[in-house]
Amino acid sequence: KQEVTQIPAALSVPEGENLVLNCSFTDSAIYNLQWFRQDPGKGLTSLLLIQSSQREQTSGRLNASLDKSSGRSTLYIAASQPGDSATYLCAVRRRGGADGLTFGKGTHLIIQP
Amino acid sequence: DAGITQSPRYKITETGRQVTLMCHQTWSHSYMFWYRQDLGHGLRLIYYSAAADITDKGEVPDGYVVSRSKTENFPLTLESATRSQTSVYFCATRRPDRGRGSYNSPLHFGNGTRLTVT
Repeated sequence: KQEVTQIPAALSVPEGENLVLNCSFTDSAIYNLQWFRQDPGKGLTSLLLIQSSQREQTSGRLNASLDKSSGRSTLYIAASQPGDSATYLCAVRRRGGADGLTFGKGTHLIIQP
Repeated sequence: DAGITQSPRYKITETGRQVTLMCHQTWSHSYMFWYRQDLGHGLRLIYYSAAADITDKGEVPDGYVVSRSKTENFPLTLESATRSQTSVYFCATRRPDRGRGSYNSPLHFGNGTRLTVT
């Protein structure tokens, strides 16, 4: 059974810092890995999708990497801003079994002004 | 761009009642999903649908029923609500896969329905 773990569960940093969020998964048989952002009382917004054949994806100040063989992904946020405060979730789309994504429990990020 | 609309946003019901959560999309994406989000468990897949009249169980389907008579709608019914079904429910859609090796369309989520069963 695929399990996805995110570390740390919560993180608070001053504005302007660069930071890294971690995600690990137990089964490397995946199609892709997605990073999402969730604001309080809202749905999930897709940030980046990395295909299993890719090593990284970039969007603005966000960079996500994928090491499928070791079951790890990182989300790098450069020059953090208070507006980046949210919960960040990673999820993998597994090969075989029920369709859909397996999610981690998220990292709750607070950027202090 | 309406995207995905879930209704109601909030619902309080009593144990044993039947309740239906609605999900409507304007994109005509073939895939639709229902997830529940609980503290300590994260998001878990309840049911999904690959197309109209095609549905399949996810990780936690017990106590739920789905139907998909039209591509744009994917209602989730709790036949006899229990307190353990108190949760936030999210509907999501995805475009169809383009073929072998192209299983890489992102998921799009609605804003959720917060359900409380008393």
